[in-house]
Amino acid sequence: DTAVSQTPKYLVTQMGNDKSIKCEQNLGHDTMYWYKQDSKKFLKIMFSYNNKELIINETVPNRFSPKSPDKAHLNLHINSLELGDSAVYFCASSQVGLIYEQYFGPGTRLTVT
Amino acid sequence: GIQVEQSPPDLILQEGANSTLRCNFSDSVNNLQWFHQNPWGQLINLFYIPSGTKQNGRLSATTVATERYSLLYISSSQTTDSGVYFCAVDSGYAGNNRKLIWGLGTSLAVNP
Repeated sequence: DTAVSQTPKYLVTQMGNDKSIKCEQNLGHDTMYWYKQDSKKFLKIMFSYNNKELIINETVPNRFSPKSPDKAHLNLHINSLELGDSAVYFCASSQVGLIYEQYFGPGTRLTVT
Repeated sequence: GIQVEQSPPDLILQEGANSTLRCNFSDSVNNLQWFHQNPWGQLINLFYIPSGTKQNGRLSATTVATERYSLLYISSSQTTDSGVYFCAVDSGYAGNNRKLIWGLGTSLAVNP
């Protein structure tokens, strides 16, 4: 049974389009995260939610909008996609306060052409 | 803020060899975690090691918090050890700004 799942696994789209990535965790965690991993493997946190409340919003363009309908789900919607948005996006979750013990989804590879 | 540096950036080993990966951090930290990202992209927790030494099979980790470094030892390496190893530390920021600060990783290739 997958602990943290993401859909889709691959996403290829054209510049200017709008797309969403979904994340679900069945670990009972209260905190969820979105990370962006660039081509050089650098992991950058984008957002963090605790029990549906946004708690970290790094300097991410406002074309990126996270939504947490409940504490088991955290979705990422991206408007007006740009070439620089191409990356692998990871969702993760952890128990409240245990930020060092994060469980990651398999990643979504986004390619913008 | 805290800086995390990992070395070496790249490492190539023959199967069976041993290796040591290093993580230096610029300030005192309460929590430190090692992760492995396999060649298929999956990120896995390896060790939570804010201080002291832990072992799990062929892997072990040591953190000397007073000297601000952590080491990950891989013994008798196998091809399945290939991937990127990340060190991440707790930012220590209070409340909602608390987050992990990640190193750039060590990319390991183990050849058969």
